This record gives sequence, structure tokens and C-alpha cells, in this order.
Amino acid sequence: GQQLNQSPQSMFIQEGEDVSMNCTSSSIFNTWLWYKQDPGEGPVLLIALYKAGELTSNGRLTAQFGITRKDSFLNISASIPSDVGIYFCAGFSGSARQLTFGSGTQLTVLP
Amino acid sequence: EAQVTQNPRYLITVTGKKLTVTCSQNMNHEYMSWYRQDPGLGLRQIYYSMNVEVTDKGDVPEGYKVSRKEKRNFPLILESPSPNQTSLYFCASSLGTGPYEQYFGPGTRLTVT
Repeated sequence: GQQLNQSPQSMFIQEGEDVSMNCTSSSIFNTWLWYKQDPGEGPVLLIALYKAGELTSNGRLTAQFGITRKDSFLNISASIPSDVGIYFCAGFSGSARQLTFGSGTQLTVLP
Repeated sequence: EAQVTQNPRYLITVTGKKLTVTCSQNMNHEYMSWYRQDPGLGLRQIYYSMNVEVTDKGDVPEGYKVSRKEKRNFPLILESPSPNQTSLYFCASSLGTGPYEQYFGPGTRLTVT
């Protein structure tokens, strides 16, 4: 089946720094989603992308739908302690009825 | 408040004792889904439902059953739980018949001894 490679697996950054993470797919997707999961809670949707090349922001978060439709990027600017958590990408191809999830990026923000 | 609720949040049980984890959403969503989350394996879909009485297998359906008799409810049934079903389970729902913009419940941590 489809696979998503998400990198990096973990990041340790200083408060105030910018963060970048990405996902690549072996197949084309027509929807990319980015989620954040806090410890002990369910994933929360951050950003949804529906068109190749689309760039969408949500506060300090910006995500892009790659023009090849096989990748997506998430950037967090000026990180703060509450950004700590696991970030997941997910893709959907339209012909499938399932989301495919990346393995997650564990983000730690150091004071 | 729009939400997906799951019960129980925590459950410890023994091998072979049938159990049901309930899931309910109040957003009139068509699509509902169950996932399990395990360290190093990420989120894997167990079953999904595109509408009432329409269910289909996800990536890891073995040992699980589901039903969708009402739009708002999508229970997950483990007829004979085994230790390898110890996991964190999430229910999710989305508007429309596909998994667009899924909203997740708070999770159920299941331990099977």
C-alpha cells in the first residue's frame, strides 16, 4: 500500500527558533493534512491542503502542498513551549477511502 | 460543543473477555473510523464507515468488529481480546463520505492481560 515517510523523527529546538518538517509519499495524493497530538490526547487537525502548490497558514504554522503532489511541508515559526508534541502528516488520494499517516515528528522545545 | 466522545477512556481486561468501546459524534458526520496507535507503528486504521450500515476494513481489521446502526455511533467490538490488542485506540469522524479533515476522539487506552 501507500507509504508516507515523515522526517525528522524528532527535533530538539530552542524556544524562538523556526521548525521545518516534511512528508514524502510513494504515490500521488490530492489532500494533505497536518495534525498535532499532545500527550494522552487525540490528534488535532492543524492545516488541510487540497491543491498542488497550495500554501496555507494557521497562525505561526505554514504548510505547503508540493507541486509533485507527493510531498508536503510544515513550518512553525518562533516556536514556543506549547508547540511541544507529535506532528503527523496524513494523505488521501481520493480513490482510497483511508488516510495514510506518517510516523510522526516528536518536537521538543527547550526554554 | 462539537466533539467525538469515546468510552471508556481506560480499560484493563483479560484475554478472551468480550468488550465494546463506544464512539459517538454530534456533528452529523457521514464518515467514521477507528485507529490504533502503537509506538513505532503510528496510526493504523482498523475499520471505517462511510454511512449507516456501510462499513469496510482498514489496514488492521483482524480481531475487531464494528457496526454502524445509527449515524452518530460507531462502536468497536473485540469479541475475544488478546494481549497483542493492547494499544491506544482512537475514533474519528469527518463530514462527507471520505476521511477529509477527520476529527479525533480523546482515545481509549486498552490493556489486555
